[in-house]
Amino acid sequence: ETGVTQTPRHLVMGMTNKKSLKCEQHLGHNAMYWYKQSAKKPLELMFVYNFKEQTENNSVPSRFSPECPNSSHLFLHLHTLQPEDSALYLCASSQDSQSYEQYFGPGTRLTVT
Amino acid sequence: GENVEQHPSTLSVQEGDSAVIKCTYSDSASNYFPWYKQELGKRPQLIIDIRSNVGEKKDQRIAVTLNKTAKHFSLHITETQPEDSAVYFCAASLMEYGNKLVFGAGTILRVKS
Repeated sequence: ETGVTQTPRHLVMGMTNKKSLKCEQHLGHNAMYWYKQSAKKPLELMFVYNFKEQTENNSVPSRFSPECPNSSHLFLHLHTLQPEDSALYLCASSQDSQSYEQYFGPGTRLTVT
Repeated sequence: GENVEQHPSTLSVQEGDSAVIKCTYSDSASNYFPWYKQELGKRPQLIIDIRSNVGEKKDQRIAVTLNKTAKHFSLHITETQPEDSAVYFCAASLMEYGNKLVFGAGTILRVKS
């Protein structure tokens, strides 16, 4: 259960705040993903990084800015969010972007007030 | 792009009965179909997957079937137990372009003892 960790686990922020979500994987993987999980909606893929290079931006608004400094760490920088951005943000990793199984972190529960 | 529909949204079964969850996908090129289980407050975890060159796969009480012609796949859980209670997500991906999973909306399975 400690293969993929996320901090913080809970975050409340105002619409004018700037905050960052952090994901770290200890599995030696080379691909990392950000997903958004909203109530009663499918998990939505946001970004994919493979060997530190962004390979997918699934039409995500620019108020979400990812950063992948190395294969073990992934950040999601947040600024001027909207209340509808409140959701569970899940990080995942896989051996590489061609690998089948993705390992998820526990998520960050984000509330935008 | 790919679109995955999942039914039912909720399913209640008696302990020991079978449960079936169905998904349809729109992109006939998709070739990888995993199922993830998410227990309350926990991270999604892969429980079984199937690739397009196989029609059925079984792992103990869990089985998945794939009908490529009809573009649908199903999860079958036999002899259900209370610990099977969770949200189940199906997903589809075209692996040639990286594992960019498109998820269904999820099925809440409740096993009543």
